[in-house]
Amino acid sequence: SQTIHQWPATLVQPVGSPLSLECTVEGTSNPNLYWYRQAAGRGLQLLFYSVGIGQISSEVPQNLSASRPQDRQFILSSKKLLLSDSGFYLCAWSVSEFSGNTIYFGEGSWLTVV
Amino acid sequence: QKEVEQDPGPLSVPEGAIVSLNCTYSNSAFQYFMWYRQYSRKGPELLMYTYSSGNKEDGRFTAQVDKSSKYISLFIRDSQPSDSATYLCAMSITNAGKSTFGDGTTLTVKP
Repeated sequence: SQTIHQWPATLVQPVGSPLSLECTVEGTSNPNLYWYRQAAGRGLQLLFYSVGIGQISSEVPQNLSASRPQDRQFILSSKKLLLSDSGFYLCAWSVSEFSGNTIYFGEGSWLTVV
Repeated sequence: QKEVEQDPGPLSVPEGAIVSLNCTYSNSAFQYFMWYRQYSRKGPELLMYTYSSGNKEDGRFTAQVDKSSKYISLFIRDSQPSDSATYLCAMSITNAGKSTFGDGTTLTVKP
């Protein structure tokens, strides 16, 4: 069966510090990979979308970046965090199939920028 | 205007009540409609999926899609305290593309 791992689960970072969140998917090949952010009490905002190694689409201009060094690995980074980067970050994957674009989410990473 | 608008809630009902959760959308190209459930401090999980218009039932849950009105609903019968969560609607144009999510409705079912 397919599983998704995302880490770290929680982190508190000072303004201006770097960020690296990592996500890996097991049990499937060539998945679509996503990074979403969810602010408190709000919906999901798509940040990045990847259909393959090295192929990244950015949905929202910001100081975040994403990379996909391997087929089932997706990394979210920042060189200098802002207070507004605080939120709940979710990695997700999907596989195109007739049953629809079902998205499977990881457990999320809580980021607080102080 | 957002592409997907979801009734904001929050919603509080007694145990056993019928719950109706609703979303409207503006993009007539959406064909795939999903409902996700998100417990506090957890990632969302898929609850129901529907393709095009119609109804789909799964136990106590029924998803309805009315493409002519650009309106989708999720009904929960005999609601239980364990149904307390945030419910997110989501839609996509193809089965290979990105989904657009509503902001979610937080439901509390009181024993």
